[in-house]
Amino acid sequence: DAGVTQSPTHLIKTRGQQVTLRCSPKSGHDTVSWYQQALGQGPQFIFQYYEEEERQRGNFPDRFSGHQFPNYSSELNVNALLLGDSALYLCASDGYQETQYFGPGTRLLVL
Amino acid sequence: GNSVTQMEGPVTLSEEAFLTINCTYTATGYPSLFWYVQYPGEGLQLLLKATKADDKGSNKGFEATYRKETTSFHLEKGSVQVSDSAVYFCALSDRGAGGFKTIFGAGTRLFVKA
Repeated sequence: DAGVTQSPTHLIKTRGQQVTLRCSPKSGHDTVSWYQQALGQGPQFIFQYYEEEERQRGNFPDRFSGHQFPNYSSELNVNALLLGDSALYLCASDGYQETQYFGPGTRLLVL
Repeated sequence: GNSVTQMEGPVTLSEEAFLTINCTYTATGYPSLFWYVQYPGEGLQLLLKATKADDKGSNKGFEATYRKETTSFHLEKGSVQVSDSAVYFCALSDRGAGGFKTIFGAGTRLFVKA
């Protein structure tokens, strides 16, 4: 049973560029959430997708956008990258009893 | 809003020592409570969970009890190993807009010395 997968594992971009991160949820899960984890901090909720729609959103600017595909996989897009966007981006899918299962993350470095 | 507060680290222990990492929460309603662990360079792994008051979650020798009266979910292990060195996050489920999200504490880094 495959868990949550994410790609790429690492990424280096420069300020002002755009980036797309990808996630496939755990088998049988239909809801995907994205989190940003800055160095030395806990993960912060960005947004959640269900039935190809954004269902909830955290306190992140519109530069952060997403998409969910019919096979439940998801993308996170970040436009006009800032140095402060450097972080580990985690994808999670929803399981039983309000439990979220996390992927290994994509480490983004913005120079 | 809902939030989680956990003890600051780092916590440094010798192998076979007893571990306690304190966690308290603020929430409306009755959230599920979790401990996640993050090993160096990796994502988050679910360590244990409890879904209602007085439930005890346990896994790999770690345990935590959902205490509604003190709004706490402290993590304990009787005898730590070097391999337990990691960052531990206390978290709760936050319901809204037809779904839920996870709210995390800031994390507590644990170092275990041989």
